[in-house]
Amino acid sequence: GAVVSQHPSWVICKSGTSVKIECRSLDFQATTMFWYRQFPKQSLMLMATSNEGSKATYEQGVEKDKFLINHASLTLSTLTVTSAHPEDSSFYICSGRDRDTTIYFGEGSWLTVV
Amino acid sequence: AQSVTQPDIHITVSEGASLELRCNYSYGATPYLFWYVQSPGQGLQLLLKYFSGDTLVQGIKGFEAEFKRSQSSFNLRKPSVHWSDAAEYFCAGSTNDYKLSFGAGTTVTVRA
Repeated sequence: GAVVSQHPSWVICKSGTSVKIECRSLDFQATTMFWYRQFPKQSLMLMATSNEGSKATYEQGVEKDKFLINHASLTLSTLTVTSAHPEDSSFYICSGRDRDTTIYFGEGSWLTVV
Repeated sequence: AQSVTQPDIHITVSEGASLELRCNYSYGATPYLFWYVQSPGQGLQLLLKYFSGDTLVQGIKGFEAEFKRSQSSFNLRKPSVHWSDAAEYFCAGSTNDYKLSFGAGTTVTVRA
């Protein structure tokens, strides 16, 4: 199947700093990518929908100024957590939709804010 | 509201026994339905999906799921589980916007 790669897999940052997570579709073009957040032992919650060349659409309750999403190309979307705080610590996972309407998930990125 | 429910938080099954994971959906129209598996600390792998057509869907790793409109269900089954099937299983649904709503997940433990 298709592959979606996330980087970094693990990141630790200091409170108040910003951290960027990349999501790449390696063997397909993803016009739409999705960003989810997962707390330990919980389900995934959709944060935003990222469309190539346009602004992301955020779900209710998600701060768009805190979670900046950029989808600069058909194979790359980035999530930047700005002014991170310990409560932002979580597992962030992206997915990409291919032309066959299948949705593939990345490996996820663990963010720890200290 | 559109939602997916997985009634079972945790299921323990013996190796070689059959497995069935329940999933119920609540959507205005027939949603797109998916089953994903997640190993600890890892991303999600698609097991199978249903959009329309044949209500019995075959997936990878020997899994299948049956869509039942009358019961608003999309249960996942495997005839004989292997120790490697121990993982977290998520049922998810979406409309044609592909924004997935996930169930709470079911943890499967396989005992020898």
